[in-house]
Amino acid sequence: AQRVTQPEKLLSVFKGAPVELKCNYSYSGSPELFWYVQYSRQRLQLLLRHISRESIKGFTADLNKGETSFHLKKPFAQEEDSAMYYCALSGGSRLTFGEGTQLTVNP
Amino acid sequence: KAGVTQTPRYLIKTRGQQVTLSCSPISGHRSVSWYQQTPGQGLQFLFEYFSETQRNKGNFPGRFSGRQFSNSRSEMNVSTLELGDSALYLCASSVGQAQADTQYFGPGTRLTVL
Repeated sequence: AQRVTQPEKLLSVFKGAPVELKCNYSYSGSPELFWYVQYSRQRLQLLLRHISRESIKGFTADLNKGETSFHLKKPFAQEEDSAMYYCALSGGSRLTFGEGTQLTVNP
Repeated sequence: KAGVTQTPRYLIKTRGQQVTLSCSPISGHRSVSWYQQTPGQGLQFLFEYFSETQRNKGNFPGRFSGRQFSNSRSEMNVSTLELGDSALYLCASSVGQAQADTQYFGPGTRLTVL
C-alpha cells in the first residue's frame, strides 16, 4: 500500500525566514513524488516533481529514499508563498496525497 | 492551451438523487482522473480513464462510476446520493503515456447534498 504523511497541518513563519514542509512516504516500488500547491481561490497546481530536480519559485525538494522523505524547502519565505501544500506519490496512474500543510508567511 | 474545465461548478442535490459531473481535459491529454476532496478525508482517488477504459480505481462504493468518451472528455456519476458525498470533486488530466505523467487539475465541482 502507498501512503503519504505530512505531519504538520499548520505552519507559520515570518517573511524572510527559512521554511521546510515535511513529507514522508511509504511505497514498495520506486516512487514518483510531487509537491502540489493550492493558493487561495485557485486550483491545485503542480509546484515541482522530484524527477525534474527543478527549483520552482525558490522551492526545492530532495528525495531521500533511506529516510523515505521528500521535504519541501525554501531559504527565504515570501508572503505570496502562503498557501496549502500537498505532497503526492504516484503509484501507477493514481496520485496518493498527504493531508496537506497550510503555510502562512507573516509580514 | 486551455486548462482543464469542469461543469457545473456548483451543485445542490438531495439525498437519494443522482448527479453527473463533467470534465474536459487539456487538448491532447488522454488520461482523466477523478478525486474527491473533503475536510475530513482530504484528497482521495476515485478512478482514472485512459482511451475510454477505466485503468485504475480507488476504494469507493459502486455508486460512484465514470466514463470517458472518444474525445477524452469524462463524466462522473454518483447515484443514490448520501449526505457524506458532499465534497469538492476534482478532475485532472495528463498525457497518459507514462504512468507518472504530471496531472493538471480543474477547478472542481462543489457538490452539496441536503
